Amino acid sequence: DTGVSQDPRHKITKRGQNVTFRCDPISEHNRLYWYRQTLGQGPEFLTYFQNEAQLEKSRLLSDRFSAERPKGSFSTLEIQRTEQGDSAMYLCAGEVAGGMVQFFGPGTRLTVL
Amino acid sequence: KNEVEQSPQNLTAQEGEFITINCSYSVGISALHWLQQHPGGGIVSLFMLSSGKKKHGRLIATINIQEKHSSLHITASHPRDSAVYICAVRVAGGTSYGKLTFGQGTILTVHP
Repeated sequence: DTGVSQDPRHKITKRGQNVTFRCDPISEHNRLYWYRQTLGQGPEFLTYFQNEAQLEKSRLLSDRFSAERPKGSFSTLEIQRTEQGDSAMYLCAGEVAGGMVQFFGPGTRLTVL
Repeated sequence: KNEVEQSPQNLTAQEGEFITINCSYSVGISALHWLQQHPGGGIVSLFMLSSGKKKHGRLIATINIQEKHSSLHITASHPRDSAVYICAVRVAGGTSYGKLTFGQGTILTVHP
């Protein structure tokens, strides 16, 4: 158990619907990362938070994607107007400032029909 | 070409065999990680390397910074080692913070 939780674990939605995922790291994780993993591939970086500040966003994060970490604790990732290409595992990872090891949550598997 | 390449993509072994998974990268790094992912998604960090060699139980990880290459070895493999093994690098410098760049993973199946 890494201490990082994600909710929901699975989400099935219809194309065009909005979805929101949540990540809860442990309190010591000043840094929080979101990654996306499609079937048979390694994860790809989406975005990074240091406390509540979103400091980097990948070009993969189109304008349909938005992420927040309002109080520097939990984070949410929202996808608007979902497309079938959004089907993937969405992973978050927490890290202490100055640390070098990321602790991954179990992921949210999104299926867009 | 991906910045991180792993080989092989799939590996099947009999219980007890010695296993090697290779990782090559093309960017400057501050650290390299070996990760294990079981069915269902959870990723666990096995090793973090910036030089040399590390050992934990039956697992050994090595890195050659000059050649930009790392290997993960499993001695006396066991069916419970069956998982996806992923190499990931922490890119050095700039504003990359700690984001990881991942290889595509190696699917290991160990048969009894």
